[in-house]
Amino acid sequence: DTAVSQTPKYLVTQMGNDKSIKCEQNLGHDTMYWYKQDSKKFLKIMFSYNNKELIINETVPNRFSPKSPDKAHLNLHINSLELGDSAVYFCASSPDGYYGYTFGSGTRLTVV
Amino acid sequence: GQQVMQIPQYQHVQEGEDFTTYCNSSTTLSNIQWYKQRPGGHPVFLIQLVKSGEVKKQKRLTFQFGEAKKNSSLHITATQTTDVGTYFCAGGNNDMRFGAGTRLTVKP
Repeated sequence: DTAVSQTPKYLVTQMGNDKSIKCEQNLGHDTMYWYKQDSKKFLKIMFSYNNKELIINETVPNRFSPKSPDKAHLNLHINSLELGDSAVYFCASSPDGYYGYTFGSGTRLTVV
Repeated sequence: GQQVMQIPQYQHVQEGEDFTTYCNSSTTLSNIQWYKQRPGGHPVFLIQLVKSGEVKKQKRLTFQFGEAKKNSSLHITATQTTDVGTYFCAGGNNDMRFGAGTRLTVKP
């Protein structure tokens, strides 16, 4: 029973397409995140939600839109995909935004 | 936003040697966390340090938080091939900012 599950695991798509990544956590955590990991392994926070409310929105292009229908789910929709969006996207959750994060297994997005 | 710097970027050791990675922040951190990411895997939480000067151990791993709460280190004694991976520190409040990571390779 996976604690933080992301789908899909792999996503290959053409430039200009729109795609979504889904994330669900069954830990009862209040806070959820999206991180982007580039080819150099650098982990950059994109968004943070606390109990369905947006807390952090880093300088991410507005082509990226998170949605949290409830505190157990945080989805990421990306419009007009670009080559530079290719990366691994990780969803994570934390009980309160303070204690250790539990990461999902990641979604490897490749834009061609 | 808050920046957390981590060095070295890479470390290659012979099995049995020790390994240390360092994390520094220009501002005081409320807490620091350490994660390990195996090749092809996802970051896994190892530990959280909160108190000034705190030292915690997990078997061969020793974690330290500086007195000024601006720096931290992770030391692995007598590395094994299972220690291979990237070690990240992360600092912040409700938005953990990750260091660039130290990629550890271990030669058998």
